[in-house]
Amino acid sequence: DVKVTQSSRYLVKRTGEKVFLECVQDMDHENMFWYRQDPGLGLRLIYFSYDVKMKEKGDIPEGYSVSREKKERFSLILESASTNQTSMYLCASSEIDSNSYNEQFFGPGTRLTVL
Amino acid sequence: AQTVTQSQPEMSVQEAETVTLSCTYDTSESDYYLFWYKQPPSRQMILVIRQEAYKQQNATENRFSVNFQKAAKSFSLKISDSQLGDAAMYFCAFQGGSEKLVFGKGTKLTVNP
Repeated sequence: DVKVTQSSRYLVKRTGEKVFLECVQDMDHENMFWYRQDPGLGLRLIYFSYDVKMKEKGDIPEGYSVSREKKERFSLILESASTNQTSMYLCASSEIDSNSYNEQFFGPGTRLTVL
Repeated sequence: AQTVTQSQPEMSVQEAETVTLSCTYDTSESDYYLFWYKQPPSRQMILVIRQEAYKQQNATENRFSVNFQKAAKSFSLKISDSQLGDAAMYFCAFQGGSEKLVFGKGTKLTVNP
């Protein structure tokens, strides 16, 4: 089974802190994703990576950056955390298959609170 | 840009009954995939069912089935013989010509004993 793990289930940080959220997948997937989930807004894509050191902005990249130095690991960085970044963050991964759908496998999520 | 609309923020169903969750989408693409994902209170999102747009036959996975109406751009999920473990957030999602998914805002399903 595919396993996607996230470094923390719950995280509390202060405004202005630099925050790192880590995601690791164990199935050699090329694609990795970071989403933000808020009540009534569903999942919104922050950033997407299709290969090591490659990244693409999603729908809401402002205030975030990402790093993918190794294929299995995709990090989300909040350079200076703000209270409006309090949210649930979900990581996902998928294979690349141009001839078929690409099921995304999700991690358990990190509930981030910025005080 | 594609959009996915789930018009029912919350639904409830009695145990053993049937419930249908609605989803509509907007796209100009002809070849795409549609998904229903389930997110139980433990938060791990899992795939429930998928549908390829080029297939006319509706997908079925045990108690879960879809009603895919391509012309109407509608993709509803039917859950038969509802169980307490079906209680969750359900998200409809669209995948077109890229690796990315577009999600609806979700429907919270409550199952009453």
